[in-house]
Amino acid sequence: GEDVEQSLFLSVREGDSSVINCTYTDSSSTYLYWYKQEPGAGLQLLTYIFSNMDMKQDQRLTVLLNKKDKHLSLRIADTQTGDSAIYFCAESIYGGSQGNLIFGKGTKLSVKP
Amino acid sequence: NAGVTQTPKFRILKIGQSMTLQCTQDMNHNYMYWYRQDPGMGLKLIYYSVGAGITDKGEVPNGYNVSRSTTEDFPLRLELAAPSQTSVYFCASKGGLAGGSLGELFFGEGSRLTVL
Repeated sequence: GEDVEQSLFLSVREGDSSVINCTYTDSSSTYLYWYKQEPGAGLQLLTYIFSNMDMKQDQRLTVLLNKKDKHLSLRIADTQTGDSAIYFCAESIYGGSQGNLIFGKGTKLSVKP
Repeated sequence: NAGVTQTPKFRILKIGQSMTLQCTQDMNHNYMYWYRQDPGMGLKLIYYSVGAGITDKGEVPNGYNVSRSTTEDFPLRLELAAPSQTSVYFCASKGGLAGGSLGELFFGEGSRLTVL
């Protein structure tokens, strides 16, 4: 079945780069997403990558996609304390009845000053 | 543009009570979802709907019910609340991929429910 795996915790120092990794299972996914959840809030779309791309850069964010290994990563350059949040990787499952996104369990990023 | 609105934000229930979590979206999305989020467990899908009048079970539907009488509203009903239903509940909606949409989910702010 579909499953998205990611590590649960990551701790970095302010100013360092953060790399959050994710593996997914459905090779037919059209889009892969990164969502950010700040404390006490809902999830918000942070960035995404189309499945025919290898890399996408958006200011401090770099998304890398390795389709062969079904591996997705999110790199945050110059990590700030405001980046402390839970980051969810998600893949789209199309063709199924749900039109659903499958989420990983989330990686809690802690940024130490 | 309000997006997805959930009420209430917080609620404490006694065991055996019932309540309805309200969810409404103003984006004319066909797909709507209810998730629960427990610490370290990610998001688990409770129920979903692909359009008005159509609902289906997700991964963890037991103890819950939904209805979808309009495109905008997707309430989640808890009957006979149990401590295991203590969680944070998120409603989400999604459009199709037409018109350049990414097909991403839009989430409400969450409803924190405690059952004592």
